[in-house]
Amino acid sequence: DTGVSQNPRHKITKRGQNVTFRCDPISEHNRLYWYRQTLGQGPEFLTYFQNEAQLEKSRLLSDRFSAERPKGSFSTLEIQRTEQGDSAMYLCASSYEQGFTEAFFGQGTRLTVV
Amino acid sequence: EDKVVQSPLSLVVHEGDTVTLNCSYEVTNFRSLLWYKQEKKAPTFLFMLTSSGIEKKSGRLSSILDKKELFSILNITATQTGDSAIYLCAVGRGSRLTFGEGTQLTVNP
Repeated sequence: DTGVSQNPRHKITKRGQNVTFRCDPISEHNRLYWYRQTLGQGPEFLTYFQNEAQLEKSRLLSDRFSAERPKGSFSTLEIQRTEQGDSAMYLCASSYEQGFTEAFFGQGTRLTVV
Repeated sequence: EDKVVQSPLSLVVHEGDTVTLNCSYEVTNFRSLLWYKQEKKAPTFLFMLTSSGIEKKSGRLSSILDKKELFSILNITATQTGDSAIYLCAVGRGSRLTFGEGTQLTVNP
């Protein structure tokens, strides 16, 4: 286990379709984060899990977005009824629980909605 | 609302130059400031700073935090073409990181 793994790396979908992304964090990390990054901007926080509990959600996370981490290991992010504005890089990160430590990012899933 | 501002937004230098990247912030309940390097994909961690005045150093890169004036700088000496990337500053508050827009650094041979 060398790092945070995200799948797929790229996704092209038609507007209105649903998409699901997966993130496998570093195995000993119990915190998992989702961020979204658009061109020319820094990543924006979407949501975070501690083990299986979703403890915080950004107001950016509309009703069409849902995230789960059912067993406290991997996580999924689903976007329903995709819109062109959802096109972005979706980044997953993980970190240790103790205090605040550096978050390590996965390679991201680039979503293009056409 | 938390705010992180980086400057300059872009910078073009020649190999061997020294660069200084700036990051200022307004965050309630500040816990830490982090620097990341982003090439084409995932941000990779460089430094985490929690205390003022203590320089963190890794090879040609160094960074320092001023919690009184609410800013940090990232220095890169003797730049190389491989340093070309976006450098992101992020401030940690509780569970989340708030990122700046990043500084696009281009190092020309």
